[in-house]
Amino acid sequence: DTAVSQTPKYLVTQMGNDKSIKCEQNLGHDTMYWYKQDSKKFLKIMFSYNNKELIINETVPNRFSPKSPDKAHLNLHINSLELGDSAVYFCASSQEGLSGNTIYFGEGSWLTVV
Amino acid sequence: AQKVTQAQTEISVVEKEDVTLDCVYETRDTTYYLFWYKQPPSGELVFLIRRNSFDEQNEISGRYSWNFQKSTSSFNFTITASQVVDSAVYFCALSEAFGYSSASKIIFGSGTRLSIRP
Repeated sequence: DTAVSQTPKYLVTQMGNDKSIKCEQNLGHDTMYWYKQDSKKFLKIMFSYNNKELIINETVPNRFSPKSPDKAHLNLHINSLELGDSAVYFCASSQEGLSGNTIYFGEGSWLTVV
Repeated sequence: AQKVTQAQTEISVVEKEDVTLDCVYETRDTTYYLFWYKQPPSGELVFLIRRNSFDEQNEISGRYSWNFQKSTSSFNFTITASQVVDSAVYFCALSEAFGYSSASKIIFGSGTRLSIRP
């Protein structure tokens, strides 16, 4: 069983389109994240939700909107896709309670905007 | 401000050599966690180790070992008798607490690409 699963794994789409990436975790964790990895492999947090509540919202364009219907799911919707949005998007989860609990990542979603 | 520096962008060694990946961090927190993650060519991020700021004991797991030194703000990772399967990008990371819910915000270094040649 995959602990953190995200779909689709690969997504190629045209500029201007709207797309979503779905994420589910079966670890029973109460916190979920979206990270973005650019072409230089740099990983940066985008959002964090704790029990469906937005906790961390880094400087991310409004075109990116996370949605958490329950604590096991955190989806990422991107409007009006731009070339610069091409990246690998990682969903992750952790069980909070103490600072620094381990974050477990999904396999990543490779987004290519053409 | 929190920061993680992995000065080695790329390292290439011959199989069976030992190799150390450096990690230096900055934080004003007295309580923090340090991590290492591995990203093989297949792309997934694999958790390797977590170390809290109060535990400076070195850790060994098979061919992997980690040296945490608060005095130099370093958390270095050594692979002994390297193998081709160790080829990957390795990330060092630092966790800070955030807000009332203590949601962790892990900050990653820029990664070190390790290539092991047969």
